[in-house]
Amino acid sequence: EADIYQTPRYLVIGTGKKITLECSQTMGHDKMYWYQQDPGMELHLIHYSYGVNSTEKGDLSSESTVSRIRTEHFPLTLESARPSHTSQYLCASSHNRWDSGTDTQYFGPGTRLTVL
Amino acid sequence: RKEVEQDPGPFNVPEGATVAFNCTYSNSASQSFFWYRQDCRKEPKLLMSVYSSGNEDGRFTAQLNRASQYISLLIRDSKLSDSATYLCVVGSSNTGKLIFGQGTTLQVKP
Repeated sequence: EADIYQTPRYLVIGTGKKITLECSQTMGHDKMYWYQQDPGMELHLIHYSYGVNSTEKGDLSSESTVSRIRTEHFPLTLESARPSHTSQYLCASSHNRWDSGTDTQYFGPGTRLTVL
Repeated sequence: RKEVEQDPGPFNVPEGATVAFNCTYSNSASQSFFWYRQDCRKEPKLLMSVYSSGNEDGRFTAQLNRASQYISLLIRDSKLSDSATYLCVVGSSNTGKLIFGQGTTLQVKP
């Protein structure tokens, strides 16, 4: 089992609230990722980080922001939640590979967010 | 066109059957290939990496055809516990990111 944790697991919140989804990993991985997944649909990368103080936007535009102040911690924040933000948010991490390949990503259990 | 395409299924098979999934990818610069398994409302978990020479892990066999840009997964002697969605995943050395297919749903019935 991968040592990557997400809290909360479920969150129901009203429109306009600020929320932070937590993600932590104890594997010492340099790379971390946030994905958004709607039921029955594919994962979409919304943010990623290659290390401390590195953050990049992913392939799917998102109103959320992230920070990477510590290697093990990669929180995602929504300043003002809206019903369109209702989805599952999955955090993942991976090692840097010594070669040019892309390493396996390990996923946390996800946060299922519902905005009313 | 999606970067990674899979037949979403569902594939409904009896226990003991052999089932095969295919996946095509569009980026010829892709260098890493994986199959992940995702159970309903759970996170994806790595099933196996896919190597150029093909590889086997118990009842599961994965193959890669770079010339045709497709990946396959074969499951022999299907178990009820194999019921899940199987995600084809492709990594690019250019971006270091993984691209996930929509997944193929397998339902194994008694």
